[in-house]
Amino acid sequence: DTGVSQDPRHKITKRGQNVTFRCDPISEHNRLYWYRQTLGQGPEFLTYFQNEAQLEKSRLLSDRFSAERPKGSFSTLEIQRTEQGDSAMYLCASSTGGHRAEKETQYFGPGTRLLVL
Amino acid sequence: GEDVEQSLFLSVREGDSSVINCTYTDSSSTYLYWYKQEPGAGLQLLTYIFSNMDMKQDQRLTVLLNKKDKHLSLRIADTQTGDSAIYFCAEKKTGGFKTIFGAGTRLFVKA
Repeated sequence: DTGVSQDPRHKITKRGQNVTFRCDPISEHNRLYWYRQTLGQGPEFLTYFQNEAQLEKSRLLSDRFSAERPKGSFSTLEIQRTEQGDSAMYLCASSTGGHRAEKETQYFGPGTRLLVL
Repeated sequence: GEDVEQSLFLSVREGDSSVINCTYTDSSSTYLYWYKQEPGAGLQLLTYIFSNMDMKQDQRLTVLLNKKDKHLSLRIADTQTGDSAIYFCAEKKTGGFKTIFGAGTRLFVKA
């Protein structure tokens, strides 16, 4: 396994359009996270899955955002009716989960850079 | 509250040591991480330390933790031009699910 992968790497869309991003975690990792990173800032937590269950959503995740992980493997993040303020890097991370450091450590994908015109 | 703070910029000469500093707020058991991000790329985990440790060394990297002051530092020995990147300090509660990141320190290495 080569790590967390994300697709597409770049997306340019017009305001009001819907976009969907995909994340494939490291295969044995049952925890999956989505973060958003804007210019000059660190990543901000959006949501978290334990297997297929979405266990936590940040208040940053408005009703226009939805994430799924239907089979507990890959995940999708959809943004409906995009706004210019949605322009950011969307990062996915995965971990095995547990109470030891190596299990809790989150490994990040390369991100999807979204530009809303 | 949850907050991780870092200085925004650091400039060093090639071959010198770099020290990047971070303060965090959560005093409970936690993991503290250093990630590196190169332009246009995702975050690469460099090292981590648990909050009951004072120091961790990994090749050119040394992490120092002052629990009393909630201060974390990353020292990069013999800094190279390839070390130029943004370095993020992050904390995560044991058993928790989200990692809280600082805004990142941009390291410039002058040849």
